[in-house]
Amino acid sequence: DTAVSQTPKYLVTQMGNDKSIKCEQNLGHDTMYWYKQDSKKFLKIMFSYNNKELIINETVPNRFSPKSPDKAHLNLHINSLELGDSAVYFCASSPTGGFTEAFFGQGTRLTVV
Amino acid sequence: SQQGEEDPQALSIQEGENATMNCSYKTSINNLQWYRQNSGRGLVHLILIRSNEREKHSGRLRVTLDTSKKSSSLLITASRAADTASYFCALRGSGGSNYKLTFGKGTLLTVNP
Repeated sequence: DTAVSQTPKYLVTQMGNDKSIKCEQNLGHDTMYWYKQDSKKFLKIMFSYNNKELIINETVPNRFSPKSPDKAHLNLHINSLELGDSAVYFCASSPTGGFTEAFFGQGTRLTVV
Repeated sequence: SQQGEEDPQALSIQEGENATMNCSYKTSINNLQWYRQNSGRGLVHLILIRSNEREKHSGRLRVTLDTSKKSSSLLITASRAADTASYFCALRGSGGSNYKLTFGKGTLLTVNP
């Protein structure tokens, strides 16, 4: 029973391509996140959604467009991929409220060549 | 920025020893959380400490929080080889910022058998 699942797990693509990463959670959480982890393990928040609404956008280039069709799904579409987009992307979810923990997916390793 | 900073960046100990990791931050927080990341996996929540708490225990984990010094420490007692992982502190802000869980760069802990 996977709580937060992302697909695909690995993604290798050429510069300039457009790709999507899908995320689904079956925990009934209202808040979902996208994080980017670079090669130095730094985990940077990209977006936060609550009940399908964008709450946090951490100055991410507009080539990155999250979409939340319902509160259980938060997909990430990336246009015109660049070499610097290579990283591991993590989806996470949590209940709404301050005193809550986040549950993470297994990550999607994106390699742009 | 709200990001926490873990110290040390890397720590290598023998099985059975205790491991202490520290996290410093600059902004006010609602709570501080610690997560573990095994190599190639997603993050797993370990413990949450509220801003009005000073110490919390969970099994072999002990977390302290000093809001006057804006710092926290994670102590793992009687370490095991299976504790080898990266450990991250994460900050949850107040109000609108509680939709944001901001991570530090992590401490890589290696426990040698």
